[in-house]
Amino acid sequence: AQSVTQLGSHVSVSEGALVLLRCNYSSSVPPYLFWYVQYPNQGLQLLLKYTSAATLVKGINGFEAEFKKSETSFHLTKPSAHMSDAAEYFCAVRSSKAAGNKLTFGGGTRVLVKP
Amino acid sequence: DAGITQSPRHKVTETGTPVTLRCHQTENHRYMYWYRQDPGHGLRLIHYSYGVKDTDKGEVSDGYSVSRSKTEDFLLTLESATSSQTSVYFCAIRDRENRNTEAFFGQGTRLTVV
Repeated sequence: AQSVTQLGSHVSVSEGALVLLRCNYSSSVPPYLFWYVQYPNQGLQLLLKYTSAATLVKGINGFEAEFKKSETSFHLTKPSAHMSDAAEYFCAVRSSKAAGNKLTFGGGTRVLVKP
Repeated sequence: DAGITQSPRHKVTETGTPVTLRCHQTENHRYMYWYRQDPGHGLRLIHYSYGVKDTDKGEVSDGYSVSRSKTEDFLLTLESATSSQTSVYFCAIRDRENRNTEAFFGQGTRLTVV
């Protein structure tokens, strides 16, 4: 069975500082990995996805993530935090077609940006 | 935005009553999913569908049933609502044709069981 672990349920960063959100996964097959962002009272919006084309994936709003197979990690970073980055972030892994193409989510990391 | 509409957006219901949430899509996507979101748990899969009349259970399916009689509609029913089912419910859709595609999410339904 696949699983996703996000280290840290809350992260506080200063505006302009590096944002680093950690995600580790377990999957029995080569994974499809995703980062989603959720703003208050809204649904989830895709930030970026890993689909085996490149290990460094660039997404929207200046975010990027690096897939490291040896570490089973897919950490999300942004060099310089902006106030608008305050949101909750979810890492997810998708199962194979045979397993129903199901998305399994981590517990989420809420980001607070301090001025 | 992907064409996904969840209804109702908010609902308060009493313990023991049946409740049906609706997810409607205009994208003609094959896969549809129902998740619930609770603090500290992220999103957990309740049920999913891979075609009309084809559904399967997720990790937290007890107390829930689903139906999909048309491609565009996926209904989630709480047969007898309990306070533990107070949550935010999200519907998601995904296109089957491209293996790389992501899931698109609706705006959510906030359900309170009193």
